[in-house]
Amino acid sequence: NAGVTQTPKFQVLKTGQSMTLQCAQDMNHNSMYWYRQDPGMGLRLIYYSASEGTTDKGEVPNGYNVSRLNKREFSLRLESAAPSQTSVYFCASRHDYPLKHNEQFFGPGTRLTVL
Amino acid sequence: DAKTTQPNSMESNEEEPVHLPCNHSTISGTDYIHWYRQLPSQGPEYVIHGLTSNVNNRMASLAIAEDRKSSTLILHRATLRDAAVYYCILRRIGNTGKLIFGQGTTLQVKP
Repeated sequence: NAGVTQTPKFQVLKTGQSMTLQCAQDMNHNSMYWYRQDPGMGLRLIYYSASEGTTDKGEVPNGYNVSRLNKREFSLRLESAAPSQTSVYFCASRHDYPLKHNEQFFGPGTRLTVL
Repeated sequence: DAKTTQPNSMESNEEEPVHLPCNHSTISGTDYIHWYRQLPSQGPEYVIHGLTSNVNNRMASLAIAEDRKSSTLILHRATLRDAAVYYCILRRIGNTGKLIFGQGTTLQVKP
């Protein structure tokens, strides 16, 4: 059981370049999430997906797109990277049932620098 | 979403208990209290959660005030590995599981 995996671990981009961050989970979870964490700050939700084929915006969606490719995979795309998107990106997934638990499992993160 | 307030930082000695406070005066009846922690250079990990009653698990205990406006995460014997940022988060039932992180409490554990 690998849990939540993310690729790549590190990435450096130039302003205006595009890239896709990959996330996969092997726990058969319905819900998946993308967060970003800036230095010294808590995590902020970018997008989430409650089930395969559905996605919704979180707190800070501007500049990002997402794809829920199947139940296992949830990707985050930066179409035209900006220095303000320099951050650590975390993917997470969770059980939906039983509802009262809702523990989220996080991946190890992708450290992105935009020059 | 209701807001939580935590001290920015706390210190503890190894093998002593640690009490991490959290205020959430605007909590609603359908808000669960969750605690996550983030070790250096890692993603957050779940610690414990509760609704009204005190809760225990292998990692920690959660003490919830009778009026639910505050809670305390208790680490019974701090180890160096417990040095992390601890986040107290309120999660409303049925909100699709979104977590709203604050800045958390940075716990330092001294040997």
